[in-house]
Amino acid sequence: AQSVTQPDIHITVSEGASLELRCNYSYGATPYLFWYVQSPGQGLQLLLKYFSGDTLVQGIKGFEAEFKRSQSSFNLRKPSVHWSDAAEYFCAVGYTGRRALTFGSGTRLQVQP
Amino acid sequence: DTGVSQNPRHKITKRGQNVTFRCDPISEHNRLYWYRQTLGQGPEFLTYFQNEAQLEKSRLLSDRFSAERPKGSFSTLEIQRTEQGDSAMYLCASSLNGDEQYFGPGTRLTVT
Repeated sequence: AQSVTQPDIHITVSEGASLELRCNYSYGATPYLFWYVQSPGQGLQLLLKYFSGDTLVQGIKGFEAEFKRSQSSFNLRKPSVHWSDAAEYFCAVGYTGRRALTFGSGTRLQVQP
Repeated sequence: DTGVSQNPRHKITKRGQNVTFRCDPISEHNRLYWYRQTLGQGPEFLTYFQNEAQLEKSRLLSDRFSAERPKGSFSTLEIQRTEQGDSAMYLCASSLNGDEQYFGPGTRLTVT
């Protein structure tokens, strides 16, 4: 069965510092990959997606992610974190022929002033 | 476009009672999904509709759970004889064909 691993449960960074959140998936076929962000009491907001083509994808709020097939990874990055980025971040995977998304367990981001 | 809406936002019920949640997807979206999210976890897939047809159900969806999408628009998720283990956030999402899924704010269920 497919799975998604987000190895970092909790990350704290200083405002203005760079950020990288890790995501690894397990499956043989080419996945569809997503990053969502969830603020307290809110639903999930899509940050970016990868379906095919260029492996470096740009998203909203200055986020980007890179699909690396050889490492089965889709890490999320941001060059300079803002206090408003504090939230929980979820990586999710979908596949052709299966409509449901499989989510990782999330990484909670804290931003220090 | 007001996005995906869910009602109620919060529901507190006693064990053994039935509850029903409603989801209104983005108007032109033909696919609708239900997920469940417990504290500290990512969402887990429950079921999926394409138009009015329920095409996939997770093993998580016990026989106490039933979902409908009668006219291919809004959907309801009913839980019968609720148990404390049903306490969770129930999320609805919609998409146009196989595109990205847009999520609603969720319904938080507390079973006492």
